Amino acid sequence: ETGVTQSPTHLIKTRGQQVTLRCSSQSGHNTVSWYQQALGQGPQFIFQYYREEENGRGNFPPRFSGLQFPNYSSELNVNALELDDSALYLCASSVSGTGLGQYFGPGTRLTVT
Amino acid sequence: KQEVTQIPAALSVPEGENLVLNCSFTDSAIYNLQWFRQDPGKGLTSLLLIQSSQREQTSGRLNASLDKSSGRSTLYIAASQPGDSATYLCAVDLITGGGNKLTFGTGTQLKVEL
Repeated sequence: ETGVTQSPTHLIKTRGQQVTLRCSSQSGHNTVSWYQQALGQGPQFIFQYYREEENGRGNFPPRFSGLQFPNYSSELNVNALELDDSALYLCASSVSGTGLGQYFGPGTRLTVT
Repeated sequence: KQEVTQIPAALSVPEGENLVLNCSFTDSAIYNLQWFRQDPGKGLTSLLLIQSSQREQTSGRLNASLDKSSGRSTLYIAASQPGDSATYLCAVDLITGGGNKLTFGTGTQLKVEL
């Protein structure tokens, strides 16, 4: 069974640029959720994708957007990067409707300068 | 709005001690509660998941309890080891959120010393 994978591991961007982060869900999982974790804080829910559509969003602006593909993998896109976007971005996969919990990838560390 | 609080924020204990980490939440309408471990700069490892209808779960030296009515969960770690040093996070999955949208506490940073 393959776990959740994310790419890239680290990246550095300049303020105003755009970035795309990628996530492959665990085998058999159909739902992907994205979280932002600032240093010293707990993760904050960004949004969730199920059946290739956004299925709930946290308190994040529209410049945070995403996609889910037919194989359940997902992308997180952030436009017009700001310094405060520097964080660890975590992807989690799960099976909708089972209540069996979420399983997280290793994260992507984004630094905005 | 659901709020999740973890106490203490940091804890340092000698090897071999039994310890308890606390988590409280304000909205009791939850699907489940999960405890995670996070090593510095790494992702989250799921330790235990307690369904809304359950009172506790055990895995090895770990035991987690859930009292939904009082909005509390505890993670008990028996015979702590230096390898247990990490940040421990609890998270609740709200029914009003539709499922699989976790609200996290800020974590307890644990250090187990030789």
